[in-house]
Amino acid sequence: AQSVTQLGSHVSVSEGALVLLRCNYSSSVPPYLFWYVQYPNQGLQLLLKYTSAATLVKGINGFEAEFKKSETSFHLTKPSAHMSDAAEYFCAVIRNSGNTPLVFGKGTRLSVIA
Amino acid sequence: KAGVTQTPRYLIKTRGQQVTLSCSPISGHRSVSWYQQTPGQGLQFLFEYFSETQRNKGNFPGRFSGRQFSNSRSEMNVSTLELGDSALYLCASSLSVQETQYFGPGTRLLVL
Repeated sequence: AQSVTQLGSHVSVSEGALVLLRCNYSSSVPPYLFWYVQYPNQGLQLLLKYTSAATLVKGINGFEAEFKKSETSFHLTKPSAHMSDAAEYFCAVIRNSGNTPLVFGKGTRLSVIA
Repeated sequence: KAGVTQTPRYLIKTRGQQVTLSCSPISGHRSVSWYQQTPGQGLQFLFEYFSETQRNKGNFPGRFSGRQFSNSRSEMNVSTLELGDSALYLCASSLSVQETQYFGPGTRLLVL
């Protein structure tokens, strides 16, 4: 079965600082990995996805993530935080084949301090 | 192309009642999944439908049910509502199974 662990339920950074949100996954077969963002009172918006092509994935709003199989990680980064990045971020994993649902991590709430 | 739409957006019910939530997927998408989001449990998978067939079901009691119509629209129903059913219910659609899921804005259900 797949699982996702997001380290840190709350991360706080200063505006302009590096954003690093951590995600480790567990999967018995090659996974597809996703990062979603949720703003208050809204649904989830896809930031980026890894589907076994390039290991460095670029997403929207300047975010990117690197798939590291040896570390079973898929951390999300952004070089310079903006106030508008304050939101909840979810990492998710699904098997690339078979009949299994998408599994989400518990989420990391990002605060950006002016 | 229009996104995933969910109706209603907000709902208040009392214990013991039942509720039906609706989801219209992105045009051309044939798979619909439902999730329950609460502060304590996070995002939990409810069920997934593809071509009117339930492919997967999460670990929820039988009070939670769903269906998908021939036009890919989906409904979920919760009977005999409990206080703990208060949550944001999210619907997501994808072209097919194991494909990228795109989420709607959710239906916020409050059970009093």
